[in-house]
This record gives sequence, C-alpha cells and structure tokens, in this order.
Amino acid sequence: GQQLNQSPQSMFIQEGEDVSMNCTSSSIFNTWLWYKQDPGEGPVLLIALYKAGELTSNGRLTAQFGITRKDSFLNISASIPSDVGIYFCAGHSYYGQNFVFGPGTRLSVLP
Amino acid sequence: GAVVSQHPSRVICKSGTSVKIECRSLDFQATTMFWYRQFPKQSLMLMATSNEGSKATYEQGVEKDKFLINHASLTLSTLTVTSAHPEDSSFYICSARDGGEKLFFGSGTQLSVL
Repeated sequence: GQQLNQSPQSMFIQEGEDVSMNCTSSSIFNTWLWYKQDPGEGPVLLIALYKAGELTSNGRLTAQFGITRKDSFLNISASIPSDVGIYFCAGHSYYGQNFVFGPGTRLSVLP
Repeated sequence: GAVVSQHPSRVICKSGTSVKIECRSLDFQATTMFWYRQFPKQSLMLMATSNEGSKATYEQGVEKDKFLINHASLTLSTLTVTSAHPEDSSFYICSARDGGEKLFFGSGTQLSVL
C-alpha cells in the first residue's frame, strides 16, 4: 500500500534556528497536509497544499508541494520553544478515501 | 479551522467494561470520520473509516466486534470499546473530513483499562 517516509526522524535544534523537514512517497498524491501534535493532544492542521509546486506560508511555517507530487517540505523559521512537538505529513490521492500519514518528525528546541 | 470535539479526554475503566468515545464536528458536516489508535512515540494507526448512515470500514487486524463504530448523523461518530482489557489501553483519536481535502482531528482520548 501507499507509505510515507519522513526525514529526519527527530531533530534537536537551538532556539532561533531554522528547521527543515520533508516527506516522501513512492506514489503520487494530490493533496499534502502538515500537522503538529503536542503530547496528549490530537494533531492540529498547519498547512494544506493542493497543487504541484505550490508554496504556502502560515506565520513562520512554509510548506511546499513537490513538483514530482511525491514529496513535500516543511520549513520553520526562527524556532521558538513552543515549536516542540511531532510534525506529521499526510497525503491523499484521488484514488483513495483515506489519508496516508508519515511516521512523524520529532522536534526538540533547546533554549 | 474547523473544530472537532472529542469526549471524554481521559477515561479509566475496569477490565470487562465498555467505553464509549464521542467525536463531533462542531461547525461543519462530516460525511466521513476516521478513528485512529496511537501508541506512545508512534504515528497514527488507522482503525476504521466511518461513513454517515452506513457500516464502518475496518482496517485489517481491527476487530469490528471489539471496536463498535456508529456514525448516526453528519456531525457525530462514536467508538465503543467493548469488554475492554488492559491491552486496549491506548490513545484514541478521531478525525473528520470537511467535504473537501482537509482533515481535522479531535483532541484524543486516553483510555486506561485496569
């Protein structure tokens, strides 16, 4: 079945640094969604992407829909302590009812 | 963004009892809702897809008699864990699709079975 890979699996950064993470798939998706999950909470939608090459920002977050439609990227600029959490990507294709989720990138921000 | 309400947020029950978890879309109609299970430090594991007015579609390995799903209206889906046992202890999360290409999650339910 469809699977998503996320890289890196985890990262430790200093406060103020920029963060980059990506999500790759072996198959094409028509929608990419990025979520952040805090401990003991449900994931919160950060950014939704619907078109190849699309670049969308939400505050300090910027995500891109890869040209090949098999990948997506999320960047966080000037990280702050509250950016700590797990970031999940999710993909959806026209042929499937379900969204496929990646395993997540665990972000830790050191003061 | 759209709001999905999930209750209860935490439940502790005795082994052998049943627990019902509710998932409501508060400001949109959700023809499709999803139920997930999440183990510590792991990703979301899809359990079942719930369509309003029809039977839920369960993922392979998920017991339909154990995890009863009802999607009686466009804004409410329920998951009942029947005859719960300690191995059913987990974090359960619902999500609802807004009719487009976005998925919104509830805040999750931490189930602990003693």
